Amino acid sequence: ETGVTQTPRHLVMGMTNKKSLKCEQHLGHNAMYWYKQSAKKPLELMFVYNFKEQTENNSVPSRFSPECPNSSHLFLHLHTLQPEDSALYLCASSQAAVYEQYFGPGTRLTVT
Amino acid sequence: KNEVEQSPQNLTAQEGEFITINCSYSVGISALHWLQQHPGGGIVSLFMLSSGKKKHGRLIATINIQEKHSSLHITASHPRDSAVYICAVTPPLYYGGATNKLIFGTGTLLAVQP
Repeated sequence: ETGVTQTPRHLVMGMTNKKSLKCEQHLGHNAMYWYKQSAKKPLELMFVYNFKEQTENNSVPSRFSPECPNSSHLFLHLHTLQPEDSALYLCASSQAAVYEQYFGPGTRLTVT
Repeated sequence: KNEVEQSPQNLTAQEGEFITINCSYSVGISALHWLQQHPGGGIVSLFMLSSGKKKHGRLIATINIQEKHSSLHITASHPRDSAVYICAVTPPLYYGGATNKLIFGTGTLLAVQP
């Protein structure tokens, strides 16, 4: 499998649930990203990992918890979310900080 | 006001038409990106440029650093070009932390009718 993959593609969860989003890149990149895309709003950067170290947390609420066990895998752990957290969550990777980013297909999250 | 502004927000064209999408930004940048997002969510990077002009097939991207403006042109448009086109910029290395922090525009929704 090539490129950036994300699972699940769709997720519906209640506000008291705990779930995780998974991202995997098969490109040999060393930087990975989580983005949130809400309707009618620009993409928002959430987290950046460079060489497995978190280098950016864009004031994201603690109910979102990222994990990067190695340079190929990135997780976003979700707990006690709010309905306004419903959005498309996109993962991306890049060879290094200043190179172009490759995006996964996204996970469409609905919080009920 | 967004640091990256795109125009138009929505664009409808007839197949074969020449299309231009504009992007203006108010911050210093080290690079500008054009991205394409099809229905369903997947995003593809079209161009990354820091000066001049790049061409790939029917797509051309230009940037004017002095005017802080970029354009994306599509020649001989086709219905399969229908998508959201997103402009994003990478701040310079000294700006606010991580060098790979992209700042995005809100996108231009393009519909090409047969």
